[in-house]
Amino acid sequence: GAVVSQHPSRVICKSGTSVKIECRSLDFQATTMFWYRQFPKQSLMLMATSNEGSKATYEQGVEKDKFLINHASLTLSTLTVTSAHPEDSSFYICSATSPGLNTEAFFGQGTRLTVV
Amino acid sequence: AQSVTQPDIHITVSEGASLELRCNYSYGATPYLFWYVQSPGQGLQLLLKYFSGDTLVQGIKGFEAEFKRSQSSFNLRKPSVHWSDAAEYFCAVGLGTSGSRLTFGEGTQLTVNP
Repeated sequence: GAVVSQHPSRVICKSGTSVKIECRSLDFQATTMFWYRQFPKQSLMLMATSNEGSKATYEQGVEKDKFLINHASLTLSTLTVTSAHPEDSSFYICSATSPGLNTEAFFGQGTRLTVV
Repeated sequence: AQSVTQPDIHITVSEGASLELRCNYSYGATPYLFWYVQSPGQGLQLLLKYFSGDTLVQGIKGFEAEFKRSQSSFNLRKPSVHWSDAAEYFCAVGLGTSGSRLTFGEGTQLTVNP
C-alpha cells in the first residue's frame, strides 16, 4: 500500500509556543490530506481537509487560526499548532489520498503532542 | 448528519474464541465503510473496506465483515482470535465523492485472555 510518513512522532513544547507537524506521502501524490485529532481513550475527530494548492476546509468548532494547515505540494501537508496550551495536548494523525488510490486514505503513524 | 456507533466500548475474549465487533451507521446513502485497528500510540491500519458489491468482505489477518443494509450494520468478525489481535478497533464511514473523509465510531477495545 501507499506510505504516509508523519514527523515528529513525539513532541513536547512549552505553553505559548508553536509546533509544526509534517505529513508526507512517500510514494504517491496526495491531492487531498486529512488531519485528525485523538484524545486519550477516545475516537478520532476530523479537524480539517486540505487540498493541494488551496485553503483547508475546517470542521465546525476547529479554530483555523490556531491550527494552521498548509498543503503546498502534492507530497507534503503541515499542521502548525500556534500558541499551544496544555489542552492542545493530543494525538494528531494525518491521512492522505489521491484519485488513483481507489478511495482509500492512508494514515501516518501519528504525532503525540504534549504541551507543558 | 452521518454517525457511526460502536455499542461495545470494551470486549474481552479468550484466545481461540470467535469475535464479533458491532458497528452501526447512520447515513443517507450507501456509505463507504471501513474497519481500522490501532495499537497503543500507533497510527491506523486498514483491516477491510466495503464500497459496493458482495456484502461479505474479507480483510487482512483473518478478519471479515458483513454489510447489512436493512440493519445499517457493518459488524467485524474473526473465527479464532489470537493474542496479537488485542488492540483498539474503529469502524468508520467514508464521506464525500471519494469516500476518504472519515467519520469514526467511538472504538472498541479488545482484550484477549490467554
